[in-house]
Amino acid sequence: QKEVEQNSGPLSVPEGAIASLNCTYSDRGSQSFFWYRQYSGKSPELIMFIYSNGDKEDGRFTAQLNKASQYVSLLIRDSQPSDSATYLCAAAGGGNKLTFGTGTQLKVEL
Amino acid sequence: SAVISQKPSRDICQRGTSLTIQCQVDSQVTMMFWYRQQPGQSLTLIATANQGSEATYESGFVIDKFPISRPNLTFSTLTVSNMSPEDSSIYLCSVPGIGDTQYFGPGTRLTVL
Repeated sequence: QKEVEQNSGPLSVPEGAIASLNCTYSDRGSQSFFWYRQYSGKSPELIMFIYSNGDKEDGRFTAQLNKASQYVSLLIRDSQPSDSATYLCAAAGGGNKLTFGTGTQLKVEL
Repeated sequence: SAVISQKPSRDICQRGTSLTIQCQVDSQVTMMFWYRQQPGQSLTLIATANQGSEATYESGFVIDKFPISRPNLTFSTLTVSNMSPEDSSIYLCSVPGIGDTQYFGPGTRLTVL
């Protein structure tokens, strides 16, 4: 059974702080990894993807991948109240099939 | 990314009835995916719809319960048959982007009474 594990939270951070969201996966054959943001009542929105070990930065977002540890993380710098949402981690093992974690709820407090 | 629309956006249905959900994308895509997101849960893939062939269903999902049509490269339907309250979920279609990325439609929120 391929699994993607996330802490459900909620993770509360003050405005302007760095939010760190973590994810582990069980399938060593997974090749690519995704972070989706889902606001309440809305569909998931792709915000980052990463294929290679190391860091990938896009604006305030940094995705980190460590395949040896089967660990993916998302850092959000200068967190804003508008970042408050559920963040879904997903892994793909080929064939376009994504396995999703249960999501981490992030709350950015004023 | 592709622009994806779904109809209906929400519906309330009676037990034992069926609902067909439509997914339209603004560009031709080989594969379309159907997911279910039950209340407070993550996304679970129901099936992959390929144009010109039968849909491929994931473990736990069967064609009799979730028949899928894929008449062309921009459109697909998912029917939820003989509904029960346990089918109350958000149903989402998605299409592939670059590599293994997927982009989701706005979803259909289904409540079964």
